[in-house]
Amino acid sequence: GAGVSQSPSNKVTEKGKDVELRCDPISGHTALYWYRQSLGQGLEFLIYFQGNSAPDKSGLPSDRFSAERTGGSVSTLTIQRTQQEDSAVYLCASSRDREDYGYTFGSGTRLTVV
Amino acid sequence: DQQVKQNSPSLSVQEGRISILNCDYTNSMFDYFLWYKKYPAEGPTFLISISSIKDKNEDGRFTVFLNKSAKHLSLHIVPSQPGDSAVYFCAASATNLGAQKLVFGQGTRLTINP
Repeated sequence: GAGVSQSPSNKVTEKGKDVELRCDPISGHTALYWYRQSLGQGLEFLIYFQGNSAPDKSGLPSDRFSAERTGGSVSTLTIQRTQQEDSAVYLCASSRDREDYGYTFGSGTRLTVV
Repeated sequence: DQQVKQNSPSLSVQEGRISILNCDYTNSMFDYFLWYKKYPAEGPTFLISISSIKDKNEDGRFTVFLNKSAKHLSLHIVPSQPGDSAVYFCAASATNLGAQKLVFGQGTRLTINP
């Protein structure tokens, strides 16, 4: 596609429920990143996928968070048993390859846990 | 452990004047630095970058300066225009460590007044 597409754009969920956030990167981009931005904070790295390599999961805040990237394209970030502190904007970005730092970000999913 | 810091959460500048956004970092292994610009409800967009082998990079109205000894970089916008009003994030990476992920600052909200 022309840009990085994320869905849903907004999600309100009850504490304890599971949520899935989707990212559709730019076609041909081999690198995909998930970041989140909590209120008043900078962008916090969550996970990075590069081609068929094992993902870098070092930024995932707890084992309630997981992500997968199917077929080297679409990625899904799953948060199980959501907590109020999970409320944030979740941003996905892609880049041509591991050497390309000019990420293209999606518009994000604003997650609110009530 | 905030490795990249933007100490000014906001900055207000008159149209036509110079805007100077500052960023400090603590990790001496960082060797590549970027600035991103973010409008409300949109993802950040890449603006300009600089490698640690340089101390200045210019692109039109935007210039990034790097002072490695002070671990400080700045973004100059001149002349400032109303469309420059946005949140600006600096980011850094340690490419020589093979680290693909960017570390972002908290952002500075720039407002250009007519």
